[in-house]
This record gives sequence, C-alpha cells and structure tokens, in this order.
Amino acid sequence: NAGVTQTPKFRILKIGQSMTLQCTQDMNHNYMYWYRQDPGMGLKLIYYSVGAGITDKGEVPNGYNVSRSTTEDFPLRLELAAPSQTSVYFCASSYAGREVGGQPQHFGDGTRLSIL
Amino acid sequence: DAKTTQPPSMDCAEGRAANLPCNHSTISGNEYVYWYRQIHSQGPQYIIHGLKNNETNEMASLIITEDRKSSTLILPHATLRDTAVYYCIVRVTGGSQGNLIFGKGTKLSVKP
Repeated sequence: NAGVTQTPKFRILKIGQSMTLQCTQDMNHNYMYWYRQDPGMGLKLIYYSVGAGITDKGEVPNGYNVSRSTTEDFPLRLELAAPSQTSVYFCASSYAGREVGGQPQHFGDGTRLSIL
Repeated sequence: DAKTTQPPSMDCAEGRAANLPCNHSTISGNEYVYWYRQIHSQGPQYIIHGLKNNETNEMASLIITEDRKSSTLILPHATLRDTAVYYCIVRVTGGSQGNLIFGKGTKLSVKP
C-alpha cells in the first residue's frame, strides 16, 4: 500500500501564479484533510472532506480551494500565490471522523512550497 | 475544545525509557487522546491513541490517568531514530470533523 501520496514534493512559485497540490490515497478512506505547517509551528487545518462531493473549511481556508470528485483524490488549489502561503503542506486521510472516534489520520510526506 | 500542554523539550539516553507527559485537563468524556510524532519535517506519524484505558502497541505505551486529565507516552527503549517532535492531541468538538489540532509538541532528543 502506498498510503497517502502527495505531489510535487517541492515547488517554487512566483507571486500571483497558481498551482494545484495533488493528494491521493489508496486506503478507501472517506475523510481527507489538508494542513499547512509554518516553520517551527504546529499544523493548521485548511480544508477537509467527509466524502466525495463534500468539502468544508478549516481554520485557515483563505487563498485556497479544494474539490473532491473521487474518494481517492483531494487536490488543493492556490489561485493567486502570495508570500504568506510559503509553507509545508500535508494531506491526511482517515477512515472516519469524530463520530466514530479512535480512527487515526495517516499523513503524506508533504509538499514544500515557496512563493517568491 | 480540549487543549493540551506539553513540555517544549526533553532529553533521553539511548536505550532508556522516554516518558513524555501531556496535560489535557479540559478533556470531555468522549474525546480520545492521540499521540503523533514528526521526524525532521516529514509527515506526522501516528503512534498510539486511547480513551480511558492504558494502551500498548509495537511502538509505545500510553498511560492515561483515572481522571483523564493527563497522560504519558512511554517509548520503552529509545533509539536515536526516536528523536522527533511528539504531539499530544485531543480531538476537537468543533465543526471540523475529526480535526487534529497540533500545538508545538515536545522536542525529544535521544542522546548516545
């Protein structure tokens, strides 16, 4: 099993450019999440999805968009890149959310994004 | 939302047990305690979780006090590869389904 796969691993963008961070999981998990981690800080939730066709905002959604057309894929879109979006982005998935409880999230290796 | 308090850093000698404490005094009855670790900017790695009872797996043991206001993660025989930032997390009760709130964690340094 590959688990959670993120691409690309590294990217440098110019201010105002756009890009899509890809995330795919092969564990048939219904819940997926996008986090960002700034240097020396913990992770903050950007968006999450409880299943195909359903997404919702997390703590820091501004400047990002997501879609969930399949169970496996949960891409994160940056429309107008800004220096404040320089960060490491982690995608995660889990079998179920809070209702069931006791289901750990599995993380990808991250995408390191620099906006110059 | 229940919050957690962890010491910012700890040292441990290689081969010894590493005991990482966590306070979560506002935890509610149906919230689980999770432990993750992050090794040098890799993705967070799940270690263990529990609700009320102590738990053990191949990686670690989790001891939860009877009042559930604190817990301890135990790495029984720490190795140099266990050097990482360890996060104690309680699942939030807000609108985000299953959201994990990561604080700054405890930076564990295992020394030879």
